Parts: sequence; structure tokens; C-alpha cells
Amino acid sequence: LAKTTQPISMDSYEGQEVNITCSHNNIATNDYITWYQQFPSQGPRFIIQGYKTKVTNEVASLFIPADRKSSTLSLPRVSLSDTAVYYCLETYGGSQGNLIFGKGTKLSVKP
Amino acid sequence: EPEVTQTPSHQVTQMGQEVILRCVPISNHLYFYWYRQILGQKVEFLVSFYNNEISEKSEIFDDQFSVERPDGSNFTLKIRSTKLEDSAMYFCASSEGQGGGTEAFFGQGTRLTVV
Repeated sequence: LAKTTQPISMDSYEGQEVNITCSHNNIATNDYITWYQQFPSQGPRFIIQGYKTKVTNEVASLFIPADRKSSTLSLPRVSLSDTAVYYCLETYGGSQGNLIFGKGTKLSVKP
Repeated sequence: EPEVTQTPSHQVTQMGQEVILRCVPISNHLYFYWYRQILGQKVEFLVSFYNNEISEKSEIFDDQFSVERPDGSNFTLKIRSTKLEDSAMYFCASSEGQGGGTEAFFGQGTRLTVV
């Protein structure tokens, strides 16, 4: 069973910043938070991974507070092509071997 | 950019038939995986493979499933006697390692339809 909880769906408009929250109240000390993106009829694609505080790459930012019970994926200035399902996963030691996916958050970006 | 490739993109088979789904992982990767996604449902882990043997498998991966790395480049998933409920997208993935920060790369998937 997936150990994270996230909203089932979100709507946004082009150019807006989108923040998707994820709850992981019982996250283990060795677990990282990893986010994947999936477009329809395609395989999941890694977006970002973090353990604590803030991580930023060319695609997104990930904010993880000190208690690590939640995290927020931030997508700056979304476009229509960001419409996808976003998955938040706990990964042991950051490993991306046996990934346990939940239902994810379906983000719909409108013009 | 290197990618995981899967063939065929779509396969239709009759119930009870054997199917082989093929994958070419990224060349320097050492860990290989199969996942499946039934239409409208979540992505489910099937099996991981390292050093020519299964390292982990889920409850879904029963005796009708098998995996093989027949040569240095291909990684296959065989379903011996397909059932209607095997209809799904099957994704192959590979990673260079399994430690923190190593990324798993997924292929585009094979849509299996059992009729």
C-alpha cells in the first residue's frame, strides 16, 4: 500500500504556480520523498527527490519541513503540457527500485 | 538522451496464449524492473532483476510470469497463459544503481489486450 496521501485532482491555469501537497505522517528515518510525473499512455518520469528542506531543479522545487510529515511539489508557471498525474512516493534510502505508487494527483492545466 | 525502449507498443492476444514483452534498458544500467498499470488504476510493481536473477517480486508476479535477460541488451517479461485480467500497460524500467539519487527510467510501455 502507498504510504503517502495527496489530493486526487487539481486544476490550474497556464502561467500559474502550482503547489501539490503530500502527507507522509509516518515516514521512516531512511526514507526520501520522490516525485514522478505520468502523461497519458506513457511511463512515469522522475521529477525530483529530497530528504529535508528544499531541493530545486530545472523542472520543479520540493519543500520538506523539518518534521518531514509532509512535502510540497512546486511547479512554477505551468503550461498546458504540464497536465499529467503527479505521484509522491516514499523511497527507502532514496532507492528507486521497488516503487510503490499511489493514485497520484491529476493536474489539469487550462488555457 | 538515452531511453528505455519497449516492443511491441501494442499486443493483442487470445486468452490462454503465451506472450513475451520485450525491453531494451539503458546500456550502462544494472537494475531492471517491470511494472503494470491496469486502465484507470495505479502503477503496480511486478519484479526487479539484478545480476541475472530476480531480486524482488510482488504478489502479482506469480508462476505464470517469468523474466529473462537472454543477451546483453534485452530484458523480457513472459506471461505463460494469459488471462483477461492481464490486460494492462506493462512498463519496463531500468536504473544505474539503487542508492539515493539514482533515477529509474521508464519505457513508453506495451499495451497488452487479452481477448
